[in-house]
Amino acid sequence: AQTVTQSQPEMSVQEAETVTLSCTYDTSESDYYLFWYKQPPSRQMILVIRQEAYKQQNATENRFSVNFQKAAKSFSLKISDSQLGDAAMYFCAYGSYNQGGKLIFGQGTELSVKP
Amino acid sequence: EPEVTQTPSHQVTQMGQEVILRCVPISNHLYFYWYRQILGQKVEFLVSFYNNEISEKSEIFDDQFSVERPDGSNFTLKIRSTKLEDSAMYFCASILSGGIYEQYFGPGTRLTVT
Repeated sequence: AQTVTQSQPEMSVQEAETVTLSCTYDTSESDYYLFWYKQPPSRQMILVIRQEAYKQQNATENRFSVNFQKAAKSFSLKISDSQLGDAAMYFCAYGSYNQGGKLIFGQGTELSVKP
Repeated sequence: EPEVTQTPSHQVTQMGQEVILRCVPISNHLYFYWYRQILGQKVEFLVSFYNNEISEKSEIFDDQFSVERPDGSNFTLKIRSTKLEDSAMYFCASILSGGIYEQYFGPGTRLTVT
């Protein structure tokens, strides 16, 4: 069975600095997708970024980028120029066609941003 | 921009009561999901639904749970006899097709069982 692990329950970053959130996963599938979701205090799930496993190039979305290491089954999220609004819970998630599109989530990392 | 909506935003119910959580997925989406998040914990998959039937369900989704798409727009999750441990945030999500695309999540329904 596929699993997703986020080993950092909490992280803190100074405003305008860079922070990296870690995620590892376990799967025997070769074709899958990985996602980072942000959950602010409102508890709405907001997609931050996604990565297709078949793509070697790391995905980027403005200040957010990933470091996807397929062989190591690692998928970290880098937030550059951190802003106060980035403070939230961040979830890493795995999905695949074989899983019928359902997402398997990690435990989450609570990110705080210090002014 | 199209969005998934959920009602109510917060539901308080007594143990043993039936609750129905409602979702309106994005209109042209074909695959629908319910997830649960107990406070402070990760988001867990409950059930997926396609072509008017359940395509997969998790261990959490026992006989107390059921899903339905009563018309062309609504997607409901029913809990027949609520337990204290059913207190959680329930998220509905939808995707356009069976390929892996961004799942659009609703804002969630907070269920409190007393």
